[in-house]
Amino acid sequence: QSALTQPASVSGSPGQSITISCTGTSSDIATSYYVSWYQQHPGKAPKLIIFDVTKRPSGVSTRFSGSKSGNTASLTISGLQAEDGADYYCSSSTSTNIPYVFGTGTRVTVL
Amino acid sequence: QVEIIQSGAEVKKPGASVKVSCKASGFTFTAYYLHWVRQAPGGGLEWVGWINPHTGGSNYSQNFQGRLTMTRDTSITTAYLELNGLRSDDTAIYFCARDWNDGAFDVWGQGTMVSVSS
Repeated sequence: QSALTQPASVSGSPGQSITISCTGTSSDIATSYYVSWYQQHPGKAPKLIIFDVTKRPSGVSTRFSGSKSGNTASLTISGLQAEDGADYYCSSSTSTNIPYVFGTGTRVTVL
Repeated sequence: QVEIIQSGAEVKKPGASVKVSCKASGFTFTAYYLHWVRQAPGGGLEWVGWINPHTGGSNYSQNFQGRLTMTRDTSITTAYLELNGLRSDDTAIYFCARDWNDGAFDVWGQGTMVSVSS
């Protein structure tokens, strides 16, 4: 089971929208209801920002939204803010002998 | 409040074993699976395994080839990860996280740095 594929970096100016892709296979994202996204600032533990593909935990900004099409999940950050600069990881349940897999991670830079 | 506190950093030699603890508080310990996730220096997240604190059942990534054991002590709401035959590429921060909803890890420990070096 290989890691899900994410772009290494994405950047945007304050106020813009950016989208991070997360590409998997028919063994994970394409057939999973359980895709999550995490935000990680340097030296900190990851923070859950999206679960079940599109849902936001209580307290997470509505500027974060998730979607999925085929074997690719996406995270969109709208109205980009300075504090959104962080690493972002997707994860998915799988139908293989490794039940969960993370993405390779994307560094978001706010210009 | 709901929190997970992990044990402190460890420095080990190749071939040694390490045991990391994960103390849960503020929620019913036996109601949620606990997962372990590791992150090598400058690297991404890697799923390690889970333990069901209610039954003690567990499931590990096959990447660890039998070197891994997860246990728990319900009397002190603490889970443990033990990794044997340490190698230099086991050097990483090991996180413990609560599975709130089928792979949605909503509460994380602060992480435990395990360094393996001769």
